[in-house]
Amino acid sequence: GESVGLHLPTLSVQEGDNSIINCAYSNSASDYFIWYKQESGKGPQFIIDIRSNMDKRQGQRVTVLLNKTVKHLSLQIAATHPGDSAVYFCAENGAAGNKLTFGGGTRVLVKP
Amino acid sequence: EAQVTQNPRYLITVTGKKLTVTCSQNMNHEYMSWYRQDPGLGLRQIYYSMNVEVTDKGDVPEGYKVSRKEKRNFPLILESPSPNQTSLYFCASSPGLLTGELFFGEGSRLTVL
Repeated sequence: GESVGLHLPTLSVQEGDNSIINCAYSNSASDYFIWYKQESGKGPQFIIDIRSNMDKRQGQRVTVLLNKTVKHLSLQIAATHPGDSAVYFCAENGAAGNKLTFGGGTRVLVKP
Repeated sequence: EAQVTQNPRYLITVTGKKLTVTCSQNMNHEYMSWYRQDPGLGLRQIYYSMNVEVTDKGDVPEGYKVSRKEKRNFPLILESPSPNQTSLYFCASSPGLLTGELFFGEGSRLTVL
């Protein structure tokens, strides 16, 4: 598959454990944040989003936490399995809301 | 099936030979965008379009052109490709950026020799 990043921070996690991926965003005016998952050879896929009027949102096996005070976003994946191995990106919509700005990504490797 | 379709998926070309990467979406989305992805640099926006005949530069527009004559299509044009445009390109669309996620295509791997 395609290489999406050769020098990404990598999180190794044991199958069944929980994963936490962190992201610092830059624009205090951003009011919409998204987490994407990118598997090898594929385009980024939406996981979960959160608006700035919330500090927590839960999906199926995933939770996003937003701390606007320190401009920090995290993604928690419960009971990680090998299918979760991918590169994860956070994105923010910025002040004008006309684009998404992506973070550098974190590679998650799930060990069986 | 709702999707964003890019073509070609893989292309090797030579410096200076004009090429176009097509992008089409079948979701009636107003917003479309092109990103390039490079190792260590993540996803960077090249151009975006808020609607038909409305396009604007992203963060790295140099060497690229786009057009939006129809709602569904948003081609990326490299008039005179150079080796520094070797990259993985993604097209994406959204109903309207403030309302939700970007839907991405599968990517186009371009190599310029």
